[in-house]
Amino acid sequence: ILNVEQSPQSLHVQEGDSTNFTCSFPSSNFYALHWYRWETAKSPEALFVMTLNGDEKKKGRISATLNTKEGYSYLYIKGSQPEDSATYLCAVYNFNKFYFGSGTKLNVKP
Amino acid sequence: GAGVSQSPSNKVTEKGKDVELRCDPISGHTALYWYRQRLGQGLEFLIYFQGNSAPDKSGLPSDRFSAERTGESVSTLTIQRTQQEDSAVYLCASSFIPIQGGYQPQHFGDGTRLSIL
Repeated sequence: ILNVEQSPQSLHVQEGDSTNFTCSFPSSNFYALHWYRWETAKSPEALFVMTLNGDEKKKGRISATLNTKEGYSYLYIKGSQPEDSATYLCAVYNFNKFYFGSGTKLNVKP
Repeated sequence: GAGVSQSPSNKVTEKGKDVELRCDPISGHTALYWYRQRLGQGLEFLIYFQGNSAPDKSGLPSDRFSAERTGESVSTLTIQRTQQEDSAVYLCASSFIPIQGGYQPQHFGDGTRLSIL
């Protein structure tokens, strides 16, 4: 079993604030890390797949970085909007399995 | 284009009954995954299919759980003699996966909400 930890567990921000959260994982035998957004009553939606140390990915106001040597990834949201409210999941791929963190629940208040 | 489809969307059954959950992946996706999320918990990996084969079944919680996939398409997850702790949302996902594993994003279905009375 591979332990993937996400922090914080939940986050409340005001519209317009920028925010970031963390996914931590064991640095040995790393293959890939995925970020997903899971809105209430919908299915999880893929944001990024990250594979290389130093990877930086961006999609609109959302970006992510990866440090495989120290075992963490950051997800950043610039200028949060109410529609960004969701649970953000990270998953680490290892030996034919995905290990998900418990997610960070983001609530953006208008 | 159709996404991942799961049925039923909701299932309520009595303890001890068998249930069968179905997943139709995106056409052409060779990898298929089953997960469950129990109340207040994170996503728990159950099983993964590459084509019709499951390389590792160790994620299945007990021998009451089984899964199969045919024609590199539809998959069914069967739970025999259901228990109350089986109550959860069961999610299926698929991905187009070349030789390297884990490098393609997963596309999730809407899930089956299973309630055991």
